[in-house]
Amino acid sequence: DAKTTQPPSMDCAEGRAANLPCNHSTISGNEYVYWYRQIHSQGPQYIIHGLKNNETNEMASLIITEDRKSSTLILPHATLRDTAVYYCIVRVSTDSWGKLQFGAGTQVVVTP
Amino acid sequence: EAQVTQNPRYLITVTGKKLTVTCSQNMNHEYMSWYRQDPGLGLRQIYYSMNVEVTDKGDVPEGYKVSRKEKRNFPLILESPSPNQTSLYFCASRPYGSNTGELFFGEGSRLTVL
Repeated sequence: DAKTTQPPSMDCAEGRAANLPCNHSTISGNEYVYWYRQIHSQGPQYIIHGLKNNETNEMASLIITEDRKSSTLILPHATLRDTAVYYCIVRVSTDSWGKLQFGAGTQVVVTP
Repeated sequence: EAQVTQNPRYLITVTGKKLTVTCSQNMNHEYMSWYRQDPGLGLRQIYYSMNVEVTDKGDVPEGYKVSRKEKRNFPLILESPSPNQTSLYFCASRPYGSNTGELFFGEGSRLTVL
């Protein structure tokens, strides 16, 4: 699996968009990009995933660069409840999961 | 309600006293996995199982055992716990063939080994 690099922390003002970067320069053509988040010490929560097209759901948007070497998770209107650790993961397909590495993630703090 | 249930949620034990952390899912998922989480290290995979009677090592399997005799259960066994196994443990599951690739996590089990 491709390794990912994320900044260790970032702050965001409540109501503003939060843009979380992730580098995955060794990603291969059949690897998807997944984002999860973990609020305090709860179990991680799935947010979104994509292959090469931009994706949007009720929680967030995922922008993947054309060369797929990096991506950005966008929380359009951050709230205090979005304070969490955000993990970017790359993985081959949606089926063949065995080993799955999460890394250290980005600690996002949303401030009033 | 679809969920992954772990027990116990909190446990303090002593070195060498065997313990089992249970994990049960009610979603008929094929894939199950155990993670431990330590400050600054993110989530590290201990063991995973692709289906009944099929288990394999993750990145940090030393000191742990698992079994998958039934589809819904995936217990984590610490035969002789040591203080370096003090951690927050998560169990997760997902169905094979899922379009979303979503992993469903339990609420975690905080283990302290004295």
